[in-house]
Amino acid sequence: GENVEQHPSTLSVQEGDSAVIKCTYSDSASNYFPWYKQELGKRPQLIIDIRSNVGEKKDQRIAVTLNKTAKHFSLHITETQPEDSAVYFCAPWAGNMLTFGGGTRLMVKP
Amino acid sequence: NAGVMQNPRHLVRRRGQEARLRCSPMKGHSHVYWYRQLPEEGLKFMVYLQKENIIDESGMPKERFSAEFPKEGPSILRIQQVVRGDSAAYFCASSPDWGGSNEQYFGPGTRLTVT
Repeated sequence: GENVEQHPSTLSVQEGDSAVIKCTYSDSASNYFPWYKQELGKRPQLIIDIRSNVGEKKDQRIAVTLNKTAKHFSLHITETQPEDSAVYFCAPWAGNMLTFGGGTRLMVKP
Repeated sequence: NAGVMQNPRHLVRRRGQEARLRCSPMKGHSHVYWYRQLPEEGLKFMVYLQKENIIDESGMPKERFSAEFPKEGPSILRIQQVVRGDSAAYFCASSPDWGGSNEQYFGPGTRLTVT
């Protein structure tokens, strides 16, 4: 099965700074790479995704970059705001399922 | 278009009782996935269903757990003879019918507490 690791497990930044979270995976057949944001007690929300034929995708302040050769993809958040504080999960797709990483707790200090 | 619906949102069961969790996918979605999340952990895949078919149950415990998605009505995750270790948040997700889509949208979850 797929092995997925996220780093760092916690990340504290000052409001306005950038945040980067990296996800490594093991299954070379993975072809879909989403990032989810989960606030305390809430459902995971899809915030951005990328497919294996694209190297980078941007949506306003968030971006995802993919390196299929090295089997990793990263979430980039610029101009962070306090409402960005949450747990972020990568969840590469392989076979019939998403395999979630352990999560990164992002804290944005005002 | 209503999102993925789950009920109940909170469920308390005593050890040995049965728990039934329901999931209604988004309109136009016939693929349903169930995940379990323990506190401070990521979600773990349990089972993938389409209408009347179990496609992949590789993440389901071999005993006490079952899932179905009938032709009519919601998908149901059933846990028999619950134990304390079953306490967790159970999320379902659905994805669109058109081939090749693996975007998944999650319901609000059912938080199961076993006392």
